[in-house]
Amino acid sequence: GESVGLHLPTLSVQEGDNSIINCAYSNSASDYFIWYKQESGKGPQFIIDIRSNMDKRQGQRVTVLLNKTVKHLSLQIAATQPGDSAVYFCAESWASGGSNYKLTFGKGTLLTVNP
Amino acid sequence: ETGVTQTPRHLVMGMTNKKSLKCEQHLGHNAMYWYKQSAKKPLELMFVYNFKEQTENNSVPSRFSPECPNSSHLFLHLHTLQPEDSALYLCASSHKRRSSDTQYFGPGTRLTVL
Repeated sequence: GESVGLHLPTLSVQEGDNSIINCAYSNSASDYFIWYKQESGKGPQFIIDIRSNMDKRQGQRVTVLLNKTVKHLSLQIAATQPGDSAVYFCAESWASGGSNYKLTFGKGTLLTVNP
Repeated sequence: ETGVTQTPRHLVMGMTNKKSLKCEQHLGHNAMYWYKQSAKKPLELMFVYNFKEQTENNSVPSRFSPECPNSSHLFLHLHTLQPEDSALYLCASSHKRRSSDTQYFGPGTRLTVL
C-alpha cells in the first residue's frame, strides 16, 4: 500500500495496549485542535476535536488532552486494535483576521499495532 | 466513506501535458479545499473556496488552476507541471469556512509527473 510521510515518528504497540500519540503545536493563539487518522491509500479521517477552553475530551476509545501551557496535544487510544494502524496527525486552527482562520497540520505519527 | 469523492485516483503525466483533477462532495457543504500531501511534509493548503468564491490561494504556482463551478464540485487544472509536483492531492469540504467546522477529506489523487 501507499506510505504517507516517510521517516515519520513511529509508535509500535501490542494489540490491546493503550497508545499515546503526542503533538506539539506552534501557535499560542490557536483555539481549536483536531486529530486525524490516515490509513494507507485513504484520505485523512476526523477522529476527535477539542477547543482551547477545554483540557480533555473523550470519544469512543479515544481521549484528547490539551496542555496550553506547553502547547502540547495528545491522543490516547484505549485497547489499541490492528485497525488502528495508520498515520495520525494533529491540526491547529486560529483566527487570522476578520472571518478567516488558518488551519495547519503536523507531520504525523505512524502507529503500528502488532497482533 | 466520507462523502467526498475524487477522480482519478491515480494520474501519471508528462511535464507538457494538461490534465484536471475532480472533486465532488455529497455532504451539502459550502466550503471546499485543495491540499497537497508530499512525503516527509505536513499537509499543505493550496486553495479555499467558500460559497464558490476563492478565498485563499496560498502562494500556489500558476501551473495549478482551481475551478469551483458550484458548491459541490471542485476542479484542479494542471499544466506544465514539474516532477516536484508529484504528490497526493487531497480535496476536502466543510459546512462553512469556520474554525470549528470539521473538514472531510476525499481519498486523494496520487499524481506522478514524469
